[in-house]
Amino acid sequence: ETGVTQSPTHLIKTRGQQVTLRCSSQSGHNTVSWYQQALGQGPQFIFQYYREEENGRGNFPPRFSGLQFPNYSSELNVNALELDDSALYLCASSFSYNEQFFGPGTRLTVL
Amino acid sequence: KNEVEQSPQNLTAQEGEFITINCSYSVGISALHWLQQHPGGGIVSLFMLSSGKKKHGRLIATINIQEKHSSLHITASHPRDSAVYICAVPYTGNQFYFGTGTSLTVIP
Repeated sequence: ETGVTQSPTHLIKTRGQQVTLRCSSQSGHNTVSWYQQALGQGPQFIFQYYREEENGRGNFPPRFSGLQFPNYSSELNVNALELDDSALYLCASSFSYNEQFFGPGTRLTVL
Repeated sequence: KNEVEQSPQNLTAQEGEFITINCSYSVGISALHWLQQHPGGGIVSLFMLSSGKKKHGRLIATINIQEKHSSLHITASHPRDSAVYICAVPYTGNQFYFGTGTSLTVIP
C-alpha cells in the first residue's frame, strides 16, 4: 500500500506566474484535502475534494482552484502568484470522513 | 482567538526527559489528531483519539472531552523526537482547525 505522494517537492516561481501542484492519494482513499502552511504557522485549509467534487473551501481567493481525477489523485492550481503564496502546500487523503494521511508537501517559493 | 491553542510554543529538553505538550480547543469535536512534522515539511499522523488515552511506544496521548483539552506526552525523550507537534480538530466533515504547533528540540 503506497502512501500519499506529492510533486514536485520544491518549486520556485515569480510573481504573476501560475503553478500546478499534484497529489496522489493513498490507495483506497476517495477524499483529498489541500492545506497551505506558511513558515511558523499551522496549516490552513484550502479546499477538499470528495469523489471529484469540491466538498468545502477555506478562506482562499478564487485564483486557488483544484481538481480531482477519477483515480482520486488531485491538483492544486494557483494563478497570478503573489509573494505571500510562498508556503508549504500539503495534501492529505482519507476514505470519506476517516483519518487523514498527509503527504510530504511541496515547498513553493515565489520571488 | 484561535479555535485550537497549543502550549508551549517552543520546548527544549535534555535527552531522557519526560515531555508534555498541551492542546485546548473551543469547538465541539468527534476526535482530535496529534501530528508530527519534521524539518522539511512532511506530516505524520501520530494519534486520532476521541476519548481516554492512547499509547504508541514512548508516545502517550490523552483527551478530556468535557474540558476540551488534550495532552501529548513523550517518555524518555530522544533527539530524534525533535520536531513540531501539531494538534488538529475537525470542524466540518473532514476539514480541520490546526494549532500553530509546538517546536520540540531534544538535546543529547
